[in-house]
Amino acid sequence: AQSVTQPDIHITVSEGASLELRCNYSYGATPYLFWYVQSPGQGLQLLLKYFSGDTLVQGIKGFEAEFKRSQSSFNLRKPSVHWSDAAEYFCAVAANTGNQFYFGTGTSLTVIP
Amino acid sequence: KAGVTQTPRYLIKTRGQQVTLSCSPISGHRSVSWYQQTPGQGLQFLFEYFSETQRNKGNFPGRFSGRQFSNSRSEMNVSTLELGDSALYLCASSLIDRLGTEAFFGQGTRLTVV
Repeated sequence: AQSVTQPDIHITVSEGASLELRCNYSYGATPYLFWYVQSPGQGLQLLLKYFSGDTLVQGIKGFEAEFKRSQSSFNLRKPSVHWSDAAEYFCAVAANTGNQFYFGTGTSLTVIP
Repeated sequence: KAGVTQTPRYLIKTRGQQVTLSCSPISGHRSVSWYQQTPGQGLQFLFEYFSETQRNKGNFPGRFSGRQFSNSRSEMNVSTLELGDSALYLCASSLIDRLGTEAFFGQGTRLTVV
């Protein structure tokens, strides 16, 4: 069965510091992986996605993620965090039928000045 | 273009009542999915509709149902509300129902059951 694990419930970083959010997945075939961000009271916005090809994918807002099949990971990174990046981040894998997503439990990011 | 629109944004209902939530997908999108978001369970898939047909269903009781109309607008209904149904209900629309198609989420309907 498909599943996604985000080990870090909450992360605090200083503005300007680098960021890495961890995501591990369990999936039988080649996964379709996504990172979404949710600001308070809002829906989810897609940051980036990985289907195949280059394992380092670039997204919006300066985010990137690297797919590592050997580690079953899809970690999200940003070299320099801005205060506006404070939000909840969700990693997700698409199921093998239709367009159903399995989400991780999310990582809440706090950015301190 | 307009995004995914969910109405109403906030709703307060009493235990035992029923509720209907509405989702208007992005124009041209034919796939609509629903998710329940709670602090304890996170984001859980409810069901997906494509061309008025339910394609997938999550592990929720029969009190949760949905439908999709010919214009792709979707509604979900929860009958005999329980306190545990309090959640943010998110709707997502996609152009097609193919695996991995980008999904666009609405802002959600915050349902509170008292």
